[in-house]
Order: sequence, then C-alpha cells, then structure tokens
Amino acid sequence: GIQVEQSPPDLILQEGANSTLRCNFSDSVNNLQWFHQNPWGQLINLFYIPSGTKQNGRLSATTVATERYSLLYISSSQTTDSGVYFCAARNTGGFKTIFGAGTRLFVKA
Amino acid sequence: DTEVTQTPKHLVMGMTNKKSLKCEQHMGHRAMYWYKQKAKKPPELMFVYSYEKLSINESVPSRFSPECPNSSLLNLHLHALQPEDSALYLCASSQVGSTNEKLFFGSGTQLSVL
Repeated sequence: GIQVEQSPPDLILQEGANSTLRCNFSDSVNNLQWFHQNPWGQLINLFYIPSGTKQNGRLSATTVATERYSLLYISSSQTTDSGVYFCAARNTGGFKTIFGAGTRLFVKA
Repeated sequence: DTEVTQTPKHLVMGMTNKKSLKCEQHMGHRAMYWYKQKAKKPPELMFVYSYEKLSINESVPSRFSPECPNSSLLNLHLHALQPEDSALYLCASSQVGSTNEKLFFGSGTQLSVL
C-alpha cells in the first residue's frame, strides 16, 4: 500500500516565525489532505490538495503530484497553531486513506 | 451542518462488558469510516462503509463489530475488549465519487478498557 512520510517529526517555533512541513508519498495519489489535531484530539481538515496550491489565511499548501510530495506552510505562527499536523493520502480506486506519522508543533509565546 | 457527532465522548468498560460507539452526520456523505488512534500515533483505518455496505475491514478483530443502519449513522459495537484496545476512536465521513472527497472527523470517543 501507499507509504506516507512526514518531516520534521517535531518542531518548536517562536511565535511569529514561519515554517514548512513536508509530506512525501510513495505512489501516485488522487486524494491528499492536511489535518491539524488540537490538544483535545479534534482533527480539523486544513486542505484537500491532490495537486496545485491553495491558501487559507496564514496557511498555504502545495502538492507536486509528479514528484510525490506536498508542503504545508505556516506563516506568522501563533500559540494556537500548536498541535500535530498530519498529511493523509489515498491512491486511486478505493477509500483507504493513510496517515503519515505527523509533525508535532509547539509554538512558544 | 458540517459536523460529525460522536457519542459518548468518554467510555470506561470492563473486559466482559458490551458497549457501542455512535456516529452521526447530516452532510449527505455516503462514505463513513472508523479510525483508531493510540497516543502519539497517527489514526489507523479500521472500517469503511460506502452506501451503507462494508467496503473495507482492515483485519480488525471480531470483538469490534461495525454497523451502518442508514446513510447518516455508523455504530461500532464492542465486546470482550482487551486493555490494549484502549484508544481514541474516531469516526469520519466523506462524499463519494466527487472531485473533493475531504474527510470530516468527529471529536472522537476516548475508550479505556480495564
């Protein structure tokens, strides 16, 4: 099955800093999503981005499907951005969405 | 309404108990999912229902029994669980066959098996 790898595993930022999170996937995908899991366990869907670039406020994401990677950009980080960021991918022909191990982000005030 | 609602939020059960987790969505999604998440790990897929039919069972032990009574509801029946089954159980839903099959997650049930 498809493999999803995320880097870095852990990240500590000072409030106001920018960061880039990376997701590599082992096979072609028709479904690539980024999630934020808050400290209470709620998974929030940030982007559905099997290809191209999207922006939502301070967050943006880019997926280069031909090179099998996706990037999540966080600008002007805030303490509320803390939590775990997951990339999840699915290849064609099914419902099996596989999560990467996540990037654990802590933003210091 | 873009919510997936899960009940209960917390559950403590003994190894001989029978309990059920419930999940409900009213977004018209025809795919519904159960994921299991252990602490500091990513969610792991357990089951997928598509149009109320079981589409994927990721070799889950039979002590977990899913049920999809209609297009809005998804249950997970639990029986004779083991302490290692303690985890956060997440329900999700998505459209089927569209160009935007985003997963929407509920807030989960934190299960402790004693």
